[in-house]
Amino acid sequence: SAVISQKPSRDICQRGTSLTIQCQVDSQVTMMFWYRQQPGQSLTLIATANQGSEATYESGFVIDKFPISRPNLTFSTLTVSNMSPEDSSIYLCSVDPAGGFFGYTFGSGTRLTVV
Amino acid sequence: AQKITQTQPGMFVQEKEAVTLDCTYDTSDQSYGLFWYKQPSSGEMIFLIYQGSYDEQNATEGRYSLNFQKARKSANLVISASQLGDSAMYFCAMSFTGANSKLTFGKGITLSVRP
Repeated sequence: SAVISQKPSRDICQRGTSLTIQCQVDSQVTMMFWYRQQPGQSLTLIATANQGSEATYESGFVIDKFPISRPNLTFSTLTVSNMSPEDSSIYLCSVDPAGGFFGYTFGSGTRLTVV
Repeated sequence: AQKITQTQPGMFVQEKEAVTLDCTYDTSDQSYGLFWYKQPSSGEMIFLIYQGSYDEQNATEGRYSLNFQKARKSANLVISASQLGDSAMYFCAMSFTGANSKLTFGKGITLSVRP
């Protein structure tokens, strides 16, 4: 299965600033998925990132707040913009390298605290 | 639309005993995949087991087995011989079969293993 390196693992940020999270995959994948996990909650999909086109955002998430880049088939970034304490969450990237038959692989997560 | 339901409150099990974590799902699609993930306090998402909607046999992976009852739309996870390291959040998830399909998660169940 694919291995994902996600950075940073955690950060404490001031409100009003932005943080960019990176995910590097050790193999080429068509789609990368970005999730948010608010404290004590389940994972919610933010957007799906396809190389060469704009990301597809889920209801409740907008590009201005969560811009995503996908410059090639092994790398993606998610930016959390103009942060507020409500953005304090774990952010995870995920890929599905095998058509769903062997489990989606997740990055180790970025634990973000906004103060 | 897909929906995953996990309604159990926090679960407790004695070390070395078996435990069943419940999951029901709702979809009108005939081809789908069901997954269980473990999330320890570190926040990483660990893939445990996969069941395809057309699989006739229940999936097993070591101490994990999936009790798949398609007519009842349930996909319960059975953990045998519980270990202290099994204490974590457990998420049931679902996707449409095929590459690049997003995962939809249940709200999760907290499992605590008592020594």
